[in-house]
Amino acid sequence: SAVISQKPSRDICQRGTSLTIQCQVDSQVTMMFWYRQQPGQSLTLIATANQGSEATYESGFVIDKFPISRPNLTFSTLTVSNMSPEDSSIYLCSVELARNEQFFGPGTRLTVL
Amino acid sequence: GENVEQHPSTLSVQEGDSAVIKCTYSDSASNYFPWYKQELGKGPQLIIDIRSNVGEKKDQRIAVTLNKTAKHFSLHITETQPEDSAVYFCAARTGFQKLVFGTGTRLLVSP
Repeated sequence: SAVISQKPSRDICQRGTSLTIQCQVDSQVTMMFWYRQQPGQSLTLIATANQGSEATYESGFVIDKFPISRPNLTFSTLTVSNMSPEDSSIYLCSVELARNEQFFGPGTRLTVL
Repeated sequence: GENVEQHPSTLSVQEGDSAVIKCTYSDSASNYFPWYKQELGKGPQLIIDIRSNVGEKKDQRIAVTLNKTAKHFSLHITETQPEDSAVYFCAARTGFQKLVFGTGTRLLVSP
């Protein structure tokens, strides 16, 4: 498995501002993912972030709203830009190890007022 | 694309009873089926997975079964304990495509 940490663990933000979420893994991994989990809902993939290439975004998510960086094999950031109350969610990073196994971080709980 | 349905949405059992959660998938080419447990305030935790070349897998009190013909797979928890209370998500994946998650089952185990 992998030990994944996220910062911040939670935040309350004003609409129109931006928040950058950090994800740190204790080992080098090729594939990292960012998910959104709205209250009481399932997990929705935002984008796949592979080191050395541009992030690949899922339908309904765009780079201007959710810019992602992947500077090395142990770290990634997701920025939620120009936030609105609809962006209030849990944001999760995950990594894929051998044999398709995917492990999740503890999540960042975002509330936008 | 793949679609995963999960039932029931909520499940209440008495401590010591068994719990079964069922998922169906649409893509017959799907070959990897993990289950996650998400406790309140935490990220999802991988608890067991099964691949398409296996019909059943067990790990202590939990087991997963896969029926490729019917395109469904199930999570079985025996001798449930209050600490099993959580939301459980199934997922399916085809090759190197993304994981597609079910809608989740809230399991409540009463002492």
